[in-house]
Amino acid sequence: EAQVTQNPRYLITVTGKKLTVTCSQNMNHEYMSWYRQDPGLGLRQIYYSMNVEVTDKGDVPEGYKVSRKEKRNFPLILESPSPNQTSLYFCASSLEWVRDNEQFFGPGTRLTVL
Amino acid sequence: GQNIDQPTEMTATEGAIVQINCTYQTSGFNGLFWYQQHAGEAPTFLSYNVLDGLEEKGRFSSFLSRSKGYSYLLLKELQMKDSASYLCAPYNAGNMLTFGGGTRLMVKP
Repeated sequence: EAQVTQNPRYLITVTGKKLTVTCSQNMNHEYMSWYRQDPGLGLRQIYYSMNVEVTDKGDVPEGYKVSRKEKRNFPLILESPSPNQTSLYFCASSLEWVRDNEQFFGPGTRLTVL
Repeated sequence: GQNIDQPTEMTATEGAIVQINCTYQTSGFNGLFWYQQHAGEAPTFLSYNVLDGLEEKGRFSSFLSRSKGYSYLLLKELQMKDSASYLCAPYNAGNMLTFGGGTRLMVKP
């Protein structure tokens, strides 16, 4: 089944404890992206990647890191999480860059930073 | 940057027609997406408009006017399962997709 998977789905952690949220797609998509969704603010893009070893900042990249060493994986790294990073996170992928291509979203990761 | 405006909430009756409007201001506009998101779930693709006019896809249609910075999503023969948030997302030449805050649609019997 073609899909985007994220792990973990739920995570409660404490301030400053490094964490990684994994994202994997099995559709051979070139473009991958991370969003956070907060009430009243909608979906905001954190980072995106046009292809392996190519990553770019989105609207809200501060406090996050990403890597794209393989086409299928695009992990999101929070080196020192803070409470303002409590949010619902979505990973998405599309065949090529966003233009003309629908994005497929993962199921989401609900992160709470205490 | 981009500025996207869509109503926060709308209510409609099962079987009716509803139009969800979206206005946007963006530099280097290239197209506009509509996504549906049920509560607690991931967004799913509904439509993509790049040229002016109406794109019809079953019960859902989407309209775009590039000169007016305006789009709408039209949902016909509303069903209870259409209760969801609808996200307007213009795409610009900077290769970024920006989502509006979404319109939460409640369909009542």
